[in-house]
Amino acid sequence: EIVLTQSPATLSLSPGERVTLSCRASQSVGNFLTWFQQKPGQAPRLLIYDASYRATGIPARFSGSGSGTDFTLTISSLEPEDFAVYYCQQRSDWPLTFGGGTKVDIK
Amino acid sequence: EVQLVESGGGLVKPGGSLRLSCAASGFTFSTYNMNWVRQAPGKGLEWVSFINDGGNFITYRESVKGRFTISRDNTKNSLYLQMNSLRADDTALYYCARDLSTVTRAFDFWGQGTLVTVSS
Repeated sequence: EIVLTQSPATLSLSPGERVTLSCRASQSVGNFLTWFQQKPGQAPRLLIYDASYRATGIPARFSGSGSGTDFTLTISSLEPEDFAVYYCQQRSDWPLTFGGGTKVDIK
Repeated sequence: EVQLVESGGGLVKPGGSLRLSCAASGFTFSTYNMNWVRQAPGKGLEWVSFINDGGNFITYRESVKGRFTISRDNTKNSLYLQMNSLRADDTALYYCARDLSTVTRAFDFWGQGTLVTVSS
């Protein structure tokens, strides 16, 4: 199965800062990489699909890039509501797999 | 408004069975692929099973093959997960999740989940 490794595990940042989250795949997933945001007690929310396409209603401060094995989610300027856990997920092959998540918390 | 509402979770002994349901509304259920995804307490997300729009393509993660069965009833706008031979490591919040489109397996809508606890 394709293993997704997210780094770092935790980031402590302040509102207004730029955030770069990494997701590395154990083998190429093409551009079939998705990013989700999850807040405590809530279901995950789709942010980015197919590596770089923002989902409906997602603010422009969120962007995704990468292909093959290395992917990045960037938040250009952190808003208070962006403090959450972020997961990447691949749909290149079965089983669909998720990364372990990166928690972005308030410094 | 798209809504997915899971039900059927609960406390069950190891070896027991449960049937989860997911009631869909606000969209044409029969034209969307569906999934079950779970999250153990305090842990990350884990995909469990997929069923396509017509119900004729199904796949599972290895650890649940032979124990779990996904199904759907497009006349009732409902998705199901029959879980047999439950184990402690099946304990999780189970979400149903819709695919963005028939060609894009990105989960664009999720329910709020139903909790399954397997314990003696």
